[in-house]
Amino acid sequence: AQTVTQSQPEMSVQEAETVTLSCTYDTSESDYYLFWYKQPPSRQMILVIRQEAYKQQNATENRFSVNFQKAAKSFSLKISDSQLGDAAMYFCAYRTPRGGGSEKLVFGKGTKLTVNP
Amino acid sequence: DTGVSQDPRHKITKRGQNVTFRCDPISEHNRLYWYRQTLGQGPEFLTYFQNEAQLEKSRLLSDRFSAERPKGSFSTLEIQRTEQGDSAMYLCASSLTGLGNTIYFGEGSWLTVV
Repeated sequence: AQTVTQSQPEMSVQEAETVTLSCTYDTSESDYYLFWYKQPPSRQMILVIRQEAYKQQNATENRFSVNFQKAAKSFSLKISDSQLGDAAMYFCAYRTPRGGGSEKLVFGKGTKLTVNP
Repeated sequence: DTGVSQDPRHKITKRGQNVTFRCDPISEHNRLYWYRQTLGQGPEFLTYFQNEAQLEKSRLLSDRFSAERPKGSFSTLEIQRTEQGDSAMYLCASSLTGLGNTIYFGEGSWLTVV
């Protein structure tokens, strides 16, 4: 079974600085998607960024970028120029490949990010 | 597009009572998922529907849990004879079929069993 591990339960960053959240995963598949979701307190989970496993180029979305190392099964999230609104729980997720049935998301336990003014 | 909506947002119930949660997915999304999230944990998959067919159920979904999606639109998740261990947030999500399609989440329904 696929598993996702986030080894940092909590992280903090100063406003305007850069922070990197770590994620590793375990799978025997070659075709899959990886995601970072953000869950602010008492608010819905929203997609931050996603990466297709077959693409070598790392995904970027404005201040958010990933470092995808397929061989190492590592998928870290870098947040540049951190803002107070970035404070949230961040979940790394793996999506089971096509043909596997539900294509459901498998989540890590999350990293709580605090942004200090 | 109003997003995925869930009702009620919060529910407090006594142990042994039945509760039902409703989810309205994004219109035209044919896949609907239920997840459960406890404090300090990531969401865990419970079940999913493609249109009206329930195609997969997690072993987490005991016999006391039942989910339906009549006519392939909204879905309900019923928990019978609630136990304290059922206290969690129940998340609904929807998507179009396809690995590359984004799964969108609702705000969740918090259940507290006392």
